[in-house]
Parts: sequence; C-alpha cells; structure tokens
Amino acid sequence: AQTVTQSQPEMSVQEAETVTLSCTYDTSESNYYLFWYKQPPSRQMILVIRQEAYKQQNATENRFSVNFQKAAKSFSLKISDSQLGDTAMYFCAFALIQGAQKLVFGQGTRLTINP
Amino acid sequence: KAGVTQTPRYLIKTRGQQVTLSCSPISGHRSVSWYQQTPGQGLQFLFEYFSETQRNKGNFPGRFSGRQFSNSRSEMNVSTLELGDSALYLCASSSGLAFSTDTQYFGPGTRLTVL
Repeated sequence: AQTVTQSQPEMSVQEAETVTLSCTYDTSESNYYLFWYKQPPSRQMILVIRQEAYKQQNATENRFSVNFQKAAKSFSLKISDSQLGDTAMYFCAFALIQGAQKLVFGQGTRLTINP
Repeated sequence: KAGVTQTPRYLIKTRGQQVTLSCSPISGHRSVSWYQQTPGQGLQFLFEYFSETQRNKGNFPGRFSGRQFSNSRSEMNVSTLELGDSALYLCASSSGLAFSTDTQYFGPGTRLTVL
C-alpha cells in the first residue's frame, strides 16, 4: 500500500516570500504520479501541479514548482512570490499509473499568507 | 464548460437513516471517484466508477455503496448512518482514460452531518 506523509501541519509566511511545503511518500512501484492540490476555505479542491515519476525534470506552473527526488521519495512544493490568495490547505497526493483513478492523500499543510 | 456539480451541498440526518448523494461530472468525463474528508482521517478514497462499472473500491464498510448511470452521473449511498459518517464527501471526475493526460476535477462537496 502507498502512503503519503506531510510533516508540516501548519505554515505561515509573509506576502511575497517564498515557501516550501514538504511531502514524502512510500511505494514499491516505479511508475506513478504525484500531485499537489489546494483546498481554499471554499473547500473546492484545485489541482496545483502534477509530476510524472518517469520524468526527471521538475514540473513548474507559474509561481509553483516542485523538487522531485525519486530515490528519496520526496516531493516538495515551492511557492514563489506568495500571494494572499495562496492561503489554503495544501495536499500532496499519489496515484499509480495503472489502475483506477485513486488518489492517496497526505494529511495536508495549512498555509497562511500574511499581509 | 460546466464544472463538477454535487447535490445537495448540505445534509443533516440522524443515526440509522440512509442518505444518497449525487455527482454530475464534467461533460464528456466517464470516470467519477468519491472521497470522504474528515478532520481525523483526512481524505480517503471510497470508490471509482467508469462507464457504469465500479473499477476500484477503498476500505469502507458495505454500508457505503455507489452507482453510475449511462450519462456518467453518479450517486453514492450510505445506509444505517453512524455519527462517524459526518464528513465532507467530494467527488471528482476525469476522462478515466490514459492517466498521463488525465486530471481529476473536484466538485464543491456535500457536507453531511449525522446527529
């Protein structure tokens, strides 16, 4: 079974700062996907970024980028130039390539961006 | 394109009752997954339906069941409600095909309270 661990329950930074959220996972599979989802107070889950395990290049989406270390089973999210609208719960998630659409989520990190 | 819709948004039930939640996926999507979100257990996968067939199931008791209709709309049913079933129930839709080109889009959720 796969597990996902987010060791930072809460984080808080000032607007415009850079923040890094940590995620580690455990799997014996070699082909999988990793995701970061954002859940703002509205509770709508939004995909932030995804990474295919077979790609060595780290994924980036505007101000969001990941540091994917496959051997260490680590998948951190970096948010640059943080904005007030980035305040949300952030969930790291794992899914196998083959099989159903089953996401395994970490416990989440509550990120607060202060003005 | 309309997003994933879930009805109702809020429900209050009493122990022992049963409840049915509905999810309408994005047009063209054939896969619907259901998740339960609670403060204690976090986000947990319930089951996934693809083309009217349950393709995968999480570790939930048989009181939790679901189905999918020919138009891809899905329902989940919880019978003999327990206090611990109080949660936010999220559904997500995707094409359900090649995962590398697939993204799960989440609905706003149904908040179920069991008294």
